[in-house]
Amino acid sequence: GESVGLHLPTLSVQEGDNSIINCAYSNSASDYFIWYKQESGKGPQFIIDIRSNMDKRQGQRVTVLLNKTVKHLSLQIAATQPGDSAVYFCAERADDYKLSFGAGTTVTVRA
Amino acid sequence: KAGVTQTPRYLIKTRGQQVTLSCSPISGHRSVSWYQQTPGQGLQFLFEYFSETQRNKGNFPGRFSGRQFSNSRSEMNVSTLELGDSALYLCASSLYENQETQYFGPGTRLLVL
Repeated sequence: GESVGLHLPTLSVQEGDNSIINCAYSNSASDYFIWYKQESGKGPQFIIDIRSNMDKRQGQRVTVLLNKTVKHLSLQIAATQPGDSAVYFCAERADDYKLSFGAGTTVTVRA
Repeated sequence: KAGVTQTPRYLIKTRGQQVTLSCSPISGHRSVSWYQQTPGQGLQFLFEYFSETQRNKGNFPGRFSGRQFSNSRSEMNVSTLELGDSALYLCASSLYENQETQYFGPGTRLLVL
């Protein structure tokens, strides 16, 4: 079954603010983590990934943080824009090399 | 580069029928994975193919099968359709095996009546 979950199913953010989306995972053997964004009617869009030998990775306006001690993953979006409104999924890859996805967090950006 | 393409985009079938979905990966990508997405179960892994070989398989019944061709294009087949098979079927491709840095297609929306 799924071992990845998100702390909150919904998140409302003011345009221009920073967003933080959290994800807890339960499999300490997971070695690879990914964040995806899915807009209505579209397939998931790759945002950023991180391996278990890293704590932090930055992309364009996004940062992923990995805390292996508490098995926690987060995605930070800087200066949130209306186009960031979507469902965000985290996924982990365990030692069976299968990706497990969380239930998703719906982010709504307020103008 | 063109993205992952999936055909058809929408499909309506009746119980007991079978269906074949097609996926063309990003040029140069050799790994193709399939997922089922439903409101109740979320995104669930079906299987992964790399260089025409099934590398991994999720917990789905044998009615779900797939294959990959020498040009990396992939098909998945569902036989004896059930109402619960109604879902968005997503294909993702990657340069690497083991589902790293995958890029998803738009999906095929299957409705079983």
